[in-house]
Amino acid sequence: EVQLVESGGGLLKPGGSLRLSCAASGFTFSDYGMNWVRQAPGKGLEFVSSISGTSKSIYYGDSMKGRFVISRDNAKNSLYLQMKSLRAEDTAVYYCTRGGLVPPAFDYWGQGTVVTVSS
Amino acid sequence: DIQMTQSPSSLSASVGDRVTITCRASQSINNYLNWYQQHPGKAPKLLIYAASSLQSGVPSRFSGSGSGTDFSLTISGLQPEDFATYYCQQSYTTLWAFGPGTTVEIK
Repeated sequence: EVQLVESGGGLLKPGGSLRLSCAASGFTFSDYGMNWVRQAPGKGLEFVSSISGTSKSIYYGDSMKGRFVISRDNAKNSLYLQMKSLRAEDTAVYYCTRGGLVPPAFDYWGQGTVVTVSS
Repeated sequence: DIQMTQSPSSLSASVGDRVTITCRASQSINNYLNWYQQHPGKAPKLLIYAASSLQSGVPSRFSGSGSGTDFSLTISGLQPEDFATYYCQQSYTTLWAFGPGTTVEIK
């Protein structure tokens, strides 16, 4: 059974930094691209970042460029999102998702981890 | 960047109704269009990928169609568990943009 379990969320002040983690199981992690998607309270889904299985291809949503860094450790079956210079508008549930090419969609989602940025 | 729009933003329907939600891309995305369902407080769930392919385990009352810039999701015979928010997503570019969502509410 595919499982994605996020951790690392919390409450922090504007300008702070945070590292999110996603522990994957139930599939060959290195075979899949992985992604982060976020959802602000009461809002829709927003693509944050994606990384290929080999880490050679990395993409970011426009509002995340230069502040967020995605990475993965295939030996640990783990995905990460390092976030810095956090703003109130980064407050959201952050979801870890699997997928990319076959099918060309996000076929599994974690339960999400909450990040709150507030003074 | 490709922008995605959806209509309507919300709709009210009854159990058993046939419901159609539309999604439009700002430029052609061929058939690189996915649909997700999200219940309140839950993670989204993939329903349809590549515009019309049903994800494994998804009931056949869900169907998708379209290509280019215009797409639709149809639920034939709405069930109580189908009241949720639906999002489209383009997978034509690596920015994976989502539409703003359509909430299906109980009439």
